[in-house]
Amino acid sequence: KAGVTQTPRYLIKTRGQQVTLSCSPISGHRSVSWYQQTPGQGLQFLFEYFSETQRNKGNFPGRFSGRQFSNSRSEMNVSTLELGDSALYLCASSPQRGGPSSGANVLTFGAGSRLTVL
Amino acid sequence: AQSVTQLGSHVSVSEGALVLLRCNYSSSVPPYLFWYVQYPNQGLQLLLKYTTGATLVKGINGFEAEFKKSETSFHLTKPSAHMSDAAEYFCAVRSLGLIIQGAQKLVFGQGTRLTINP
Repeated sequence: KAGVTQTPRYLIKTRGQQVTLSCSPISGHRSVSWYQQTPGQGLQFLFEYFSETQRNKGNFPGRFSGRQFSNSRSEMNVSTLELGDSALYLCASSPQRGGPSSGANVLTFGAGSRLTVL
Repeated sequence: AQSVTQLGSHVSVSEGALVLLRCNYSSSVPPYLFWYVQYPNQGLQLLLKYTTGATLVKGINGFEAEFKKSETSFHLTKPSAHMSDAAEYFCAVRSLGLIIQGAQKLVFGQGTRLTINP
């Protein structure tokens, strides 16, 4: 069973540019979440999608956006890049059963996309 | 809001020694708790999770964690450290409020970097 696939793995951009990162979840998983990981702030939640709808959003500026497609694949976009956006962006998928029983669902993470902003 | 605190950003032990990584959560209701490991240039991999029932949880690679409600703790242990255990370890909690909504968001601690000395 293939895991969570993120592309690209590494990319370098300059300030002011925009970037799109892609995530393909595990087959059958319908929930996709995105996290930003930096040495200073650790792992911070960006947003979560289920059935093409954003379920939850973290405390990030509007430059950060995402979407999910009907096949559960997800993309996130960062516009007008800043130096502080340099980070490892992690995508995770989980089976979504909904309600209290979903509490034990495991998030399976991809290897991440490492973005460097110069 | 629920949160987790990992005591010690860096822990160093000798090969063969006991590994103890500390995690405390803040919640009035026992939440769902997880330990993840991250090796260099990789995503997060689940070590173990606590849902309900048995308070001693066994995970992969010889790790285990004990849920102690009275201490709001979920410390990770391994009896004998191997060089391959060198990595960063994250404790995470899933919010009960979000579980009811069907959301999958995890709140992570700041991480503990484990170094193994030969």
